[in-house]
Amino acid sequence: NAGVMQNPRHLVRRRGQEARLRCSPMKGHSHVYWYRQLPEEGLKFMVYLQKENIIDESGMPKERFSAEFPKEGPSILRIQQVVRGDSAAYFCASSPSFGGTTNYGYTFGSGTRLTVV
Amino acid sequence: DQQVKQNSPSLSVQEGRISILNCDYTNSMFDYFLWYKKYPAEGPTFLISISSIKDKNEDGRFTVFLNKSAKHLSLHIVPSQPGDSAVYFCAASEGNEKLTFGTGTRLTIIP
Repeated sequence: NAGVMQNPRHLVRRRGQEARLRCSPMKGHSHVYWYRQLPEEGLKFMVYLQKENIIDESGMPKERFSAEFPKEGPSILRIQQVVRGDSAAYFCASSPSFGGTTNYGYTFGSGTRLTVV
Repeated sequence: DQQVKQNSPSLSVQEGRISILNCDYTNSMFDYFLWYKKYPAEGPTFLISISSIKDKNEDGRFTVFLNKSAKHLSLHIVPSQPGDSAVYFCAASEGNEKLTFGTGTRLTIIP
């Protein structure tokens, strides 16, 4: 039973390029969450999605960032025109239903480390 | 505005002894608290949680204590083992699907 799969594990982009981060949730999980961890900081919530719906994007920067979770395929976090401050570890998590923040927590992937040069 | 604080960036404990990791929060709307463990180059792994209606939850070697009046929780690991060396994150939820994390405490278990 594969866990939450994120790819790529490492991504290097030049300033101004686009970064696309992919997340395949655990089998049977229909809820996906994206978090970002800046150096020396904790994880910060970005967005919560269900299939074809964005439920809560209160943590997403207003510009350049977007997320989707299509009916088929992985969830995608897209960062346009990357800047050095976007360099961080981006973690995806999934849960089978509501309640992922209570008794059983989320299941996190291993993250994508984005470096903007 | 750091709503969840872990004031000790690091902690070293002798193998076999008790490890106590602390966490403070400011948001009185938080009603679930979770601890995650993270190894380098991996994602956080859920350890244990506690509801705000309880003051203690135990799972094997891990016990979480919640003091609502002090807005403080702690994770006790006993006995500590070398495999417990990791970064531990405290997280809190208002009962929605969003977690607010602390900055983590790096625990080192000394053999």
